[in-house]
Amino acid sequence: AQKVTQAQTEISVVEKEDVTLDCVYETRDTTYYLFWYKQPPSGELVFLIRRNSFDEQNEISGRYSWNFQKSTSSFNFTITASQVVDSAVYFCALSHMNRDDKIIFGKGTRLHILP
Amino acid sequence: AAGVIQSPRHLIKEKRETATLKCYPIPRHDTVYWYQQGPGQDPQFLISFYEKMQSDKGSIPDRFSAQQFSDYHSELNMSSLELGDSALYFCASSAGRYSYEQYFGPGTRLTVT
Repeated sequence: AQKVTQAQTEISVVEKEDVTLDCVYETRDTTYYLFWYKQPPSGELVFLIRRNSFDEQNEISGRYSWNFQKSTSSFNFTITASQVVDSAVYFCALSHMNRDDKIIFGKGTRLHILP
Repeated sequence: AAGVIQSPRHLIKEKRETATLKCYPIPRHDTVYWYQQGPGQDPQFLISFYEKMQSDKGSIPDRFSAQQFSDYHSELNMSSLELGDSALYFCASSAGRYSYEQYFGPGTRLTVT
């Protein structure tokens, strides 16, 4: 089975707080990619990050950081010092290397940053 | 840099009508993917084309058909529209099949009344 689970359907935090979005994935394949996308109210899908299954190094990009742990099949996303502009729906996603065309998305987490 | 172009951006149709969505991939991209995102839902893969041939198929209704043309643009044809077809339709493109880099277009919002 291939599945991406985002248990948090909706989160609200006050501006400047840190927030972590959880993502757990299931796959029988050993070679895959994991993604995070942001979907602001305007509707477009904004690519944030891609990791491959061979690289468990955590990554930091400005206020964003990602924690990939194969042992727990998790790929969590943290926003530090959140801002109102971070308000959006965030999707975690999975695709398989050299096997599938499709990207499998989680149900998304709607993040509200309150001023 | 050039991005994926989708037209129209918004479309309103009535039940049982037909709609055609168009997708123009990034230049030199030979693979096109279609996704459907219902209200409050995650994007669901519909179908993909590589070098003008269908390469993968997801949960695409039989009322829908798609093709990729010689210039690599793609069209999604939707017939006998139903209220449940109201959604945001994304097209993505990539250079090569099984590419980890799918570039998404801005989407076409279809409303069926």
